[in-house]
Amino acid sequence: GAGVSQSPSNKVTEKGKDVELRCDPISGHTALYWYRQSLGQGLEFLIYFQGNSAPDKSGLPSDRFSAERTGGSVSTLTIQRTQQEDSAVYLCASTPPGTGTTGNTIYFGEGSWLTVV
Amino acid sequence: AQTVTQSQPEMSVQEAETVTLSCTYDTSESDYYLFWYKQPPSRQMILVIRQEAYKQQNATENRFSVNFQKAAKSFSLKISDSQLGDAAMYFCAYRKSGTYKYIFGTGTRLKVLA
Repeated sequence: GAGVSQSPSNKVTEKGKDVELRCDPISGHTALYWYRQSLGQGLEFLIYFQGNSAPDKSGLPSDRFSAERTGGSVSTLTIQRTQQEDSAVYLCASTPPGTGTTGNTIYFGEGSWLTVV
Repeated sequence: AQTVTQSQPEMSVQEAETVTLSCTYDTSESDYYLFWYKQPPSRQMILVIRQEAYKQQNATENRFSVNFQKAAKSFSLKISDSQLGDAAMYFCAYRKSGTYKYIFGTGTRLKVLA
């Protein structure tokens, strides 16, 4: 696609429910990132994919959070048993092949705004 | 661990004037990249400017320029001839060369006054 696409754009869920957030990176981009942006905070790294594998999951805040990527393309971030502190904007980003470790740009989606009530 | 600090939560500038946003970072590395990203209300992060640490010359992109002070670990963004469309959150980011992880500051909200 023309850009990184994320869905849903906004999601309100009840505490304790599970949610899935989807990211469709730019076609051909091999690296994919998930970041979390809480109010008044910077962007918090969650997970990084290179192809379908996730060499770095160190940012996932708890075992309630998981992510997968299939076919080297679409990624899903799943939050189980949501808590109010999970309320945030979840941003996905991707980079083209060969630029995963260079200084080139990463491209962000518009994010999924999750509110847990 | 590397950290990025933006000490100005909010700044205001009059239209057509110049404003400087501050960013400092902490690293023991010598080879890295620095970035400024803009996040308008649409939430999409847009790259404004980037700087390679090995380059002494400050990066410039039209009305945007940086003041990169490697020894002081400072990377400020100057916006000249500010426009209403410049109003947004601005994030400073760091990435060590050869790695993939971007580290972001907490952001500065820029208001442009007509």
